[in-house]
Amino acid sequence: NAGVTQTPKFQVLKTGQSMTLQCAQDMNHNSMYWYRQDPGMGLRLIYYSASEGTTDKGEVPNGYNVSRLNKREFSLRLESAAPSQTSVYFCASRDFNEQYFGPGTRLTVT
Amino acid sequence: GNSVTQMEGPVTLSEEAFLTINCTYTATGYPSLFWYVQYPGEGLQLLLKATKADDKGSNKGFEATYRKETTSFHLEKGSVQVSDSAVYFCAPYRDNYGQNFVFGPGTRLSVLP
Repeated sequence: NAGVTQTPKFQVLKTGQSMTLQCAQDMNHNSMYWYRQDPGMGLRLIYYSASEGTTDKGEVPNGYNVSRLNKREFSLRLESAAPSQTSVYFCASRDFNEQYFGPGTRLTVT
Repeated sequence: GNSVTQMEGPVTLSEEAFLTINCTYTATGYPSLFWYVQYPGEGLQLLLKATKADDKGSNKGFEATYRKETTSFHLEKGSVQVSDSAVYFCAPYRDNYGQNFVFGPGTRLSVLP
């Protein structure tokens, strides 16, 4: 039981490049989330998926898209990366009232 | 919607000192309350929780009591260790009410030997 896994762990992009962050969970949870963590800002919700086939915007969705590929996988795509998207990105899944987090992806956009 | 206010960090303590991290919240109805901890280089993990008023959550020597009258959920530990150095997040949450977890900025704790 690996919990929530994320790839890659680190990534450096140039402005304007695109990439997809991958997330998978093996706990059969319906709800999955993408957050970004910036110094002094805590965690901010980018997008979430309450169940397979549905996605909804969170607090800071601009510049991102998501895909809930199946119950296990929830990916986050940056179509045209900007320096303001330099951050640590966390994926999470939820079981009742507890969230389980992945180890994070540290993204730098130059 | 829900919101949370935590004491600003960083908090620096010597080993074996007493710890309090204050948390107050605003929420619709009566949420469950959570403390999450983030160790360096890792994601958040649940530390403890309380699901109703006057409940006390506890884990790893940490405790927090759900105080409905003051809308607070302060985290305490009687004797901190160097290994407790981390960032601590308080979060209210109410399942099945169309809500999501709301995390504040967190409080960074550094424990010195």
